[in-house]
Amino acid sequence: AQTVTQSQPEMSVQEAETVTLSCTYDTSENNYYLFWYKQPPSRQMILVIRQEAYKQQNATENRFSVNFQKAAKSFSLKISDSQLGDTAMYFCAFMTPPQFYFGTGTSLTVIP
Amino acid sequence: DSGVTQTPKHLITATGQRVTLRCSPRSGDLSVYWYQQSLDQGLQFLIQYYNGEERAKGNILERFSAQQFPDLHSELNLSSLELGDSALYFCASSVVGGPYHNEQFFGPGTRLTVL
Repeated sequence: AQTVTQSQPEMSVQEAETVTLSCTYDTSENNYYLFWYKQPPSRQMILVIRQEAYKQQNATENRFSVNFQKAAKSFSLKISDSQLGDTAMYFCAFMTPPQFYFGTGTSLTVIP
Repeated sequence: DSGVTQTPKHLITATGQRVTLRCSPRSGDLSVYWYQQSLDQGLQFLIQYYNGEERAKGNILERFSAQQFPDLHSELNLSSLELGDSALYFCASSVVGGPYHNEQFFGPGTRLTVL
């Protein structure tokens, strides 16, 4: 069975600082995709970044980057220059067609 | 705006009742997923449809059912509602192939309150 674990239920970071959110997963599949989704207080689910398991290069989207360690089955999200608008719940997700699996989320608060 | 629409935005009903939630995927997306998010919880995968056919099933109760129509919109039917069914129900759609391969786009959700 596939599982996604986010071991940090809550985190906080000072505005303009850097924070890293952890995610580990368990699978025997070789072909899969990993995602980080953000859910602000509006409850809308917003895709932050994606990573294909077959790509060794870590994905980057502006201030967001991942550290993908395939052997360790780890997929952490780094947010640089944190902004107040980054305050949200962050979900790590694992996808092996056709199913998606979500972690329980990390609540991030950016402190002014 | 993800391009996925869900109606209604809010729904308040009583225990024992039946409701239908509707989802229209993004233009061109053949896959529709349904999720349940209870208060302060993660997303629980319910069911997936691909081009009208059920493709994957998660932790969906027998009281719940879904279908995807020829125009690709989907409906989630919840019956014999219980207080514990109160949650935010998300629909997501995805496309197979292309630069957004397997990426899910979420609708704004339907907030169901069972009294």
